Amino acid sequence: NAGVTQTPKFQVLKTGQSMTLQCAQDMNHEYMSWYRQDPGMGLRLIHYSVGAGITDQGEVPNGYNVSRSTTEDFPLRLLSAAPSQTSVYFCASSYDRGGSRGETQYFGPGTRLLVL
Amino acid sequence: EDKVVQSPLSLVVHEGDTVTLNCSYEVTNFRSLLWYKQEKKAPTFLFMLTSSGIEKKSGRLSSILDKKELFSILNITATQTGDSAVYLCAAKGGSQGNLIFGKGTKLSVKP
Repeated sequence: NAGVTQTPKFQVLKTGQSMTLQCAQDMNHEYMSWYRQDPGMGLRLIHYSVGAGITDQGEVPNGYNVSRSTTEDFPLRLLSAAPSQTSVYFCASSYDRGGSRGETQYFGPGTRLLVL
Repeated sequence: EDKVVQSPLSLVVHEGDTVTLNCSYEVTNFRSLLWYKQEKKAPTFLFMLTSSGIEKKSGRLSSILDKKELFSILNITATQTGDSAVYLCAAKGGSQGNLIFGKGTKLSVKP
């Protein structure tokens, strides 16, 4: 198993550009989520999905879109990048949100994004 | 508002010391408390606690949850330089049942 993979590892954007951060998992997990991590702020939930075709907003969804057409993939789209979106982005997955099987979330390696 | 508060925010100790990291939470529909270790990459899972008073151990690390007082502690005994990391606490719950993270405790272990 590759676990949770993210691409790219690092990206520089100019203000106003759009891009998609890719996330994939091969563990057949139902629940996937995107977090951003800023210095001194911990991890904040952007969007999440409890299964294919179902997405919902987290704590800081503005400026981001997601879709979940397959169980494996959960891309995060930045519509019009702003300097405030400079951050490290982590994708995570787990069997289900409730953790009824005692499983925790598995995190991808992260994407470092710099918006100029 | 659901929140998770960790203390201290940073800590410097010497090898061999014992440290205690604190995590308090105010989360509706609380389900579980998780601890992660984060070095210069993605967080890695340490413990998940769901029951009060039952200690979980993994080598020199241990953790316990108090659901009455709404806190958890993470203990690390005989610290090593490899324990240097940010330790994240997260509570699963809230209106959406997601993980709510604290800001983390940055632990530095000096040789």
